[in-house]
Amino acid sequence: DIQMTQSPSSLSASVGDRVTITCRASQSINTYLNWYQQKPGKAPKLLIYAASNLQSGVPSRFSGSGSGTDFTLTISSLQPEDFATYYCQQSHIQRTFGQGTKVESK
Amino acid sequence: EVQLMETGGGLIQPGGSLRLSCTASGVTVSSNYMSWVRQTPGKGLEWVSIIYSDGSTFYTDSVKGRFAISRDNSKNMLHLQMNSLKAEDTAVYYCARTGVGSGYDYFDYWGQGTLVTVSS
Repeated sequence: DIQMTQSPSSLSASVGDRVTITCRASQSINTYLNWYQQKPGKAPKLLIYAASNLQSGVPSRFSGSGSGTDFTLTISSLQPEDFATYYCQQSHIQRTFGQGTKVESK
Repeated sequence: EVQLMETGGGLIQPGGSLRLSCTASGVTVSSNYMSWVRQTPGKGLEWVSIIYSDGSTFYTDSVKGRFAISRDNSKNMLHLQMNSLKAEDTAVYYCARTGVGSGYDYFDYWGQGTLVTVSS
């Protein structure tokens, strides 16, 4: 199984901050990496697919990068609606998720 | 607009069976890849099963032989038959359309989820 490890598990940030979340795969997954945002009581929402492609309707302040085993999700200027938990997910072999990164208000 | 709505969750004893259903609108289940994903506080998000448009089915190892994904094309519905349920199957189960392109796949539309609790 491919394990996905996110860091940090949580972070505190302020509106306007640049936020970076990393995701590491236990083996190379090329660019088969997706990012989701989840708010309490809601289903996850797709933000980024294939490592760097912005899903339709997602604000351009979200961006993704990386390939192989190391990936990054960046929020260029954190907005109030961005406080949530973020998950990475690989689709190279089967499909597995990271454990999540909770973005909280400082 | 794509809408997915899961039903069928509830409290079930260990060893029991349950059938989850997902009613789709705005998307044709038979023409798409469709998945079940579950979420627990302890293990987080876990992909469970997928059915391809050609009818091929795949499962995560922990449910192989116990769960079966299927679809009803006439009703545009997706199902998950869950047998021999265990406490560790307790989770919120989501139905998700699985978008595909250039060899990639991703969960781009989700239902609201249905809670399955396996407990005596």
